[in-house]
Amino acid sequence: SQTIHQWPATLVQPVGSPLSLECTVEGTSNPNLYWYRQAAGRGLQLLFYSVGIGQISSEVPQNLSASRPQDRQFILSSKKLLLSDSGFYLCAWSPRDRGAGEQYFGPGTRLTVT
Amino acid sequence: QKEVEQDPGPLSVPEGAIVSLNCTYSNSAFQYFMWYRQYSRKGPELLMYTYSSGNKEDGRFTAQVDKSSKYISLFIRDSQPSDSATYLCAVLAGTALIFGKGTTLSVSS
Repeated sequence: SQTIHQWPATLVQPVGSPLSLECTVEGTSNPNLYWYRQAAGRGLQLLFYSVGIGQISSEVPQNLSASRPQDRQFILSSKKLLLSDSGFYLCAWSPRDRGAGEQYFGPGTRLTVT
Repeated sequence: QKEVEQDPGPLSVPEGAIVSLNCTYSNSAFQYFMWYRQYSRKGPELLMYTYSSGNKEDGRFTAQVDKSSKYISLFIRDSQPSDSATYLCAVLAGTALIFGKGTTLSVSS
């Protein structure tokens, strides 16, 4: 069966500090991968998605970036965090042959920028 | 007009009640519809996945799509306290899912 991992689970960072969140998927190959942010009252916002190694599409231009160095690894980064970057960050995957329709989410990382 | 609208609730019901959760969407071209359940401080969990119009049943859960009115529903029969969560509807738009903001459900024993 497939499993998706995210770490860390919780993170408190000062404004202006860098960020690196990691997501890995087990039990599948060539998944589509996604990063979302869930902020209070704003629902789930798609940030990035990837259909393959090194292929990243950005949905929301901002001070965040994503990379996919390996088939089942997806990383979300920032060079300098803003207060507005606080939120619940979720990684998701979908089977390559299902497109974006069936997405399965990880446990999330709760980021607080102080 | 937002693409997917969902009443945030909260919705409170007694154990055993039938629950109806609803969303409306704006684009008649949408064909795939999903319902997710999210417990507090957890990632969303895919509950139901339907294509086009009609009903789909899975245990106590029934998903219904009415494309003529652009309305999607999730019914929960014999609701349990463990059903207390936030329920998110979503539609597939190209390569992305568009989510409603979620309805918070509380089932009391």
